[in-house]
Amino acid sequence: GENVEQHPSTLSVQEGDSAVIKCTYSDSASNYFPWYKQELGKRPQLIIDIRSNVGEKKDQRIAVTLNKTAKHFSLHITETQPEDSAVYFCAASRGNKLTFGTGTQLKVEL
Amino acid sequence: DTAVSQTPKYLVTQMGNDKSIKCEQNLGHDTMYWYKQDSKKFLKIMFSYNNKELIINETVPNRFSPKSPDKAHLNLHINSLELGDSAVYFCASSQTGTGGNQPQHFGDGTRLSIL
Repeated sequence: GENVEQHPSTLSVQEGDSAVIKCTYSDSASNYFPWYKQELGKRPQLIIDIRSNVGEKKDQRIAVTLNKTAKHFSLHITETQPEDSAVYFCAASRGNKLTFGTGTQLKVEL
Repeated sequence: DTAVSQTPKYLVTQMGNDKSIKCEQNLGHDTMYWYKQDSKKFLKIMFSYNNKELIINETVPNRFSPKSPDKAHLNLHINSLELGDSAVYFCASSQTGTGGNQPQHFGDGTRLSIL
């Protein structure tokens, strides 16, 4: 089955800096890669996703890149703000089954 | 209006009891899921139903039994609760698309605590 590894597990940045979270997946047939943000005590919320026929996607301060050959994908957050503090999950799917990474606790410090 | 709603939000019960969690979605999606999030925040798929048909059944003890009376509802019944069942259970839904996988929308979760 699919295996998704996510790094780092914790990330502290100063407000205004950029944050990068990286994931790798094992199943070359995976073709959909969403990213979720989960605030403390809340539900996971989709923030951006990318499909295997696209190498990069951007939405305001958030961007995701995908390298299918290396089976890597990354989340980039620019100009971080305190409200970006949360746990971020990457995921990979083939069909309807989403396999999640282990999460990254992002802390944006003032 | 809440798109994916779960009840109850909190469930505290004794070991050995049987309990149910309910989920409803008003997004018109045809696929629903149950996930378990443990104390380390790891999110893992348990079950998935598409139009009332079971399509994903991960390695979950048979004490857990999902039921989907229609495509807008997916319930989870748990028999003989154990300490290790303590977790947050999330329901999610998505729409099967011809263009490939579609985003999954999560409910607010049910926090289950076993005493």
